[in-house]
Amino acid sequence: DGGITQSPKYLFRKEGQNVTLSCEQNLNHDAMYWYRQDPGQGLRLIYYSQIVNDFQKGDIAEGYSVSREKKESFPLTVTSAQKNPTAFYLCASSTGNPGSYNEQFFGPGTRLTVL
Amino acid sequence: SQKIEQNSEALNIQEGKTATLTCNYTNYSPAYLQWYRQDPGRGPVFLLLIRENEKEKRKERLKVTFDTTLKQSLFHITASQPADSATYLCALGSGNTGKLIFGQGTTLQVKP
Repeated sequence: DGGITQSPKYLFRKEGQNVTLSCEQNLNHDAMYWYRQDPGQGLRLIYYSQIVNDFQKGDIAEGYSVSREKKESFPLTVTSAQKNPTAFYLCASSTGNPGSYNEQFFGPGTRLTVL
Repeated sequence: SQKIEQNSEALNIQEGKTATLTCNYTNYSPAYLQWYRQDPGRGPVFLLLIRENEKEKRKERLKVTFDTTLKQSLFHITASQPADSATYLCALGSGNTGKLIFGQGTTLQVKP
């Protein structure tokens, strides 16, 4: 089955700890994205990558880091510098062809709770 | 700054009626607009895309309009069903990077 997967589904973290959220896709998509969703709010872009070994900050990148060493994988690390990390995190991918108005395919999300 | 607004209040309608959801934006000139459906605790699912030079798009019971003068998109679900109950997100894109800006979503509840 082609698709995008995220793990774990639920994650609990103590304050001061870094934590890494996994995102994998087998859609052969070039572009990948990380969003954060808080209750009653839309999706806010954290980081995105249009090609392997390259990524750009989104609107709320502070306290987060990413890597894109493989086309299929785009892990997100939530660092202790992120002041309010409790949220629902969504990973997405698209073909990334410039100007092609690509739809984004989303994973099932990871709900992170800081205790 | 760029801003997208969707009805923050939930929309409650009776089964069989047409649901109309609104997406307004300011300080932005999108090349296209997309609509997504999101069920509780799950990732959004793409529904429709409409380009800046298109006035209307249809897909089965769904219809989207795009008025770049009013800076508004309307999303219609005809003959609504309880299974249509979900949160609907609009998203704007400018084309080159694939980046989208999302609205906060409108929750639709269709009662049988």
